[in-house]
Amino acid sequence: AQTVTQSQPEMSVQEAETVTLSCTYDTSESDYYLFWYKQPPSRQMILVIRQEAYKQQNATENRFSVNFQKAAKSFSLKISDSQLGDAAMYFCAYRSAYSGNTPLVFGKGTRLSVIA
Amino acid sequence: NAGVTQTPKFRVLKTGQSMTLLCAQDMNHEYMYWYRQDPGMGLRLIHYSVGEGTTAKGEVPDGYNVSRLKKQNFLLGLESAAPSQTSVYFCASSQPSGGNKNIQYFGAGTRLSVL
Repeated sequence: AQTVTQSQPEMSVQEAETVTLSCTYDTSESDYYLFWYKQPPSRQMILVIRQEAYKQQNATENRFSVNFQKAAKSFSLKISDSQLGDAAMYFCAYRSAYSGNTPLVFGKGTRLSVIA
Repeated sequence: NAGVTQTPKFRVLKTGQSMTLLCAQDMNHEYMYWYRQDPGMGLRLIHYSVGEGTTAKGEVPDGYNVSRLKKQNFLLGLESAAPSQTSVYFCASSQPSGGNKNIQYFGAGTRLSVL
């Protein structure tokens, strides 16, 4: 079974600075998808960014980018120019590509605080 | 553009009571999921469905039942609530094909307390 590990329960960053959230995963599969979800105090789960394992290029969405290291099974999220609205729980998630209906496997989350 | 809607948003039950959580999606998605979120545990899959009339067990199915009588609705039932089922419940849906086929869209969650 696949597992996802987020080793940083809490992180903090100064406004306008850059922060990196770590995620590692364990799988024997070669084709899969990785995601970062943001959960603000409203509880809504919001997709931040996704990465397809067969793509070498790291995904980027505005101020959010990932460092995908397939051999190391690492998938970190970098937030640049941090804003107060970035404060939230961040979840890393894995999904197998071998079946269309496989659910997400989540890490336990990292709580990010942004200091003004 | 509602997306995934969960009702109710909050509920308090006494031990042994029953209730049904409703999830409705208006995106014509085939797949639907129920997760629970507990402090320090992330989200864990309870049950899921790959189409109307089908259901399957996830990681933590005990104490729950589900039904998918209509494509747009996925119901989660607790027949005899226990304090261990105090949690936040999330519904999600996704599509097996198309450009966004690997993205799960989530509802806003239901906070359930069992006393």
